[in-house]
Amino acid sequence: AQKVTQAQTEISVVEKEDVTLDCVYETRDTTYYLFWYKQPPSGELVFLIRRNSFDEQNEISGRYSWNFQKSTSSFNFTITASQVVDSAVYFCALRAGGGYQKVTFGTGTKLQVIP
Amino acid sequence: ETGVTQTPRHLVMGMTNKKSLKCEQHLGHNAMYWYKQSAKKPLELMFVYSLEERVENNSVPSRFSPECPNSSHLFLHLHTLQPEDSALYLCASSQDVAGGADTQYFGPGTRLTVL
Repeated sequence: AQKVTQAQTEISVVEKEDVTLDCVYETRDTTYYLFWYKQPPSGELVFLIRRNSFDEQNEISGRYSWNFQKSTSSFNFTITASQVVDSAVYFCALRAGGGYQKVTFGTGTKLQVIP
Repeated sequence: ETGVTQTPRHLVMGMTNKKSLKCEQHLGHNAMYWYKQSAKKPLELMFVYSLEERVENNSVPSRFSPECPNSSHLFLHLHTLQPEDSALYLCASSQDVAGGADTQYFGPGTRLTVL
């Protein structure tokens, strides 16, 4: 069975601070996929990144960066120089490889960026 | 045009009403999904369709009835709902349900209130 834990329920930071959102996952599969989504107050989940289990390279996209570490089963997400527009709920998700497998979502971390 | 659209965005209905939620994807995808998002609970997968065939029916009460007439449209027919069914209903689509093409893209959701 798959499990995704986002231990941080809510985080508040002041604008321009850096913030890291933690994600710890559990799976017995050797092939799996990890995702991050952003859900602003409007409700739509916006896809941010997908990473497969064979690619441990960290990724940077503008102010966003992701740190994937198989040794600790973590896939953490860092926002550098946070902005008010980053305020949202962020979800980490996991899908096992192979044929059809449903995606397991974490419970989300609500980020509030204070101006 | 927005990738995944959902109508209506807000719906208030009584327990004896019958209504339908509509989802349309403009991404040329083959798979579509319904999720339920309740306050303080993880995202719950309800139904999955691949090429108009139902792939998953996740122990959802029969008062929710999905319909997928083609790969671009997905409906969720509602009847005799309960107040605990009040939630945000999210539709998503992906190229396929497995392998490397299963990244899900979400619509804005329908906020349902059952009185």
